[in-house]
Amino acid sequence: DTAVSQTPKYLVTQMGNDKSIKCEQNLGHDTMYWYKQDSKKFLKIMFSYNNKELIINETVPNRFSPKSPDKAHLNLHINSLELGDSAVYFCASSPRGTFEETQYFGPGTRLLVL
Amino acid sequence: AQSVSQHNHHVILSEAASLELGCNYSYGGTVNLFWYVQYPGQHLQLLLKYFSGDPLVKGIKGFEAEFIKSKFSFNLRKPSVQWSDTAEYFCAVNPYGNNRLAFGKGNQVVVIP
Repeated sequence: DTAVSQTPKYLVTQMGNDKSIKCEQNLGHDTMYWYKQDSKKFLKIMFSYNNKELIINETVPNRFSPKSPDKAHLNLHINSLELGDSAVYFCASSPRGTFEETQYFGPGTRLLVL
Repeated sequence: AQSVSQHNHHVILSEAASLELGCNYSYGGTVNLFWYVQYPGQHLQLLLKYFSGDPLVKGIKGFEAEFIKSKFSFNLRKPSVQWSDTAEYFCAVNPYGNNRLAFGKGNQVVVIP
């Protein structure tokens, strides 16, 4: 009964390909997030959705497009993958996306672009 | 730029030694503070958090952290570490009205049996 799950766990692909990462949470939370952890382990927020609505959109190339079909799912689609996209991508969720909340993280998806 | 700083990125300790990891942030105003831990091959887990009240907070596995507002710090401590504490430790700050966690670069802690 994993709270926040991501698929796939590992993703190895060639430059120029398009790939998607999926995230699902069974906590009943309204808000979901995508974070990128680079090779130096630095974690930075990319997007946040609240009840399927985009709330946070950091300075991320428009090759990255999040999609939230319902509030339990937040997928990340990446077009024309580049070497610099290699990273670990973490999904997270929180109850309502308000200030006094804890975010719960998924296991991460390790993306390697060759 | 506003940021979260963690120093001593690599820490190597023997079992039973004491651990202290520093975290400083540069955000003004009200903040919520967190320490997350990432064990090898696992996802980020919440270790402890501070929202308000007693600035000394206790978390899981014997960890505690102290919020010192005047120093913009939220240092993590454990009096006696175990081999199983080998992990990456991340400090995170949620500035009021922002609702986006800002993370430090993490501390890689290795405990030698």
